[in-house]
Amino acid sequence: QVQLVQSGAEVKKPGASVKVSCKVSGYTLTELSMHWVRQAPGKGLEWMGGFDPEDGETIYAQKFQGRVTMTEDTSTDTAYMELSSLRSEDTAVYYCATGAGYAFDIWGQGTMVTVSS
Amino acid sequence: DIQMTQSPSSLSASVGDRVTITCQASQDISNYLNWYQQKPGKAPKLLIYDASNLETGVPSRFSGSGSGTDFTFTISSLQPEDIATYYCQQYDNLQYTFGQGTKLEIK
Repeated sequence: QVQLVQSGAEVKKPGASVKVSCKVSGYTLTELSMHWVRQAPGKGLEWMGGFDPEDGETIYAQKFQGRVTMTEDTSTDTAYMELSSLRSEDTAVYYCATGAGYAFDIWGQGTMVTVSS
Repeated sequence: DIQMTQSPSSLSASVGDRVTITCQASQDISNYLNWYQQKPGKAPKLLIYDASNLETGVPSRFSGSGSGTDFTFTISSLQPEDIATYYCQQYDNLQYTFGQGTKLEIK
């Protein structure tokens, strides 16, 4: 059974970068297509990007193009999401998520990222 | 990009009621539509995938229907544990979009 365990909460200053990790257990990372979704306080879910297995590339939501980088370390089965040039509006819970097809049936527990001066 | 219009944004119903939430896509997405339940402080949970398929372990009172641009999510008999926010989510052309969410409360 797949489990996703994320890194702990972060507090960052505006303009800084944050890197959130997502450790996979029960499967290897190469068997999964990992995606990242965020949720600002009191707001809805927002897809940031993820791996497209059909062409073997990571795709990003247009909103985050140029500011987000998603990487994987297959030696440790850990996925990473790095967001740069942070601003207060980036304060949110960040989730990694995966699943078969185009649905996300496995989610990490979430990582709270707070951007504050 | 495809826009998803989910309605209503909030809903109050009584235990045992039939509850319906709709999601409309700005263009044809075939059946690439999923439904999630999210309780406060928790990650979302997949309930329905590919518009009408019940995820394993999800109670049969939950159902989904639709294709193309118009989709419906139904709880046939509302239970107290169904209090949550529900989201639709679509996939099209390498992009995923969530609906705005429907907050469901007990009357």
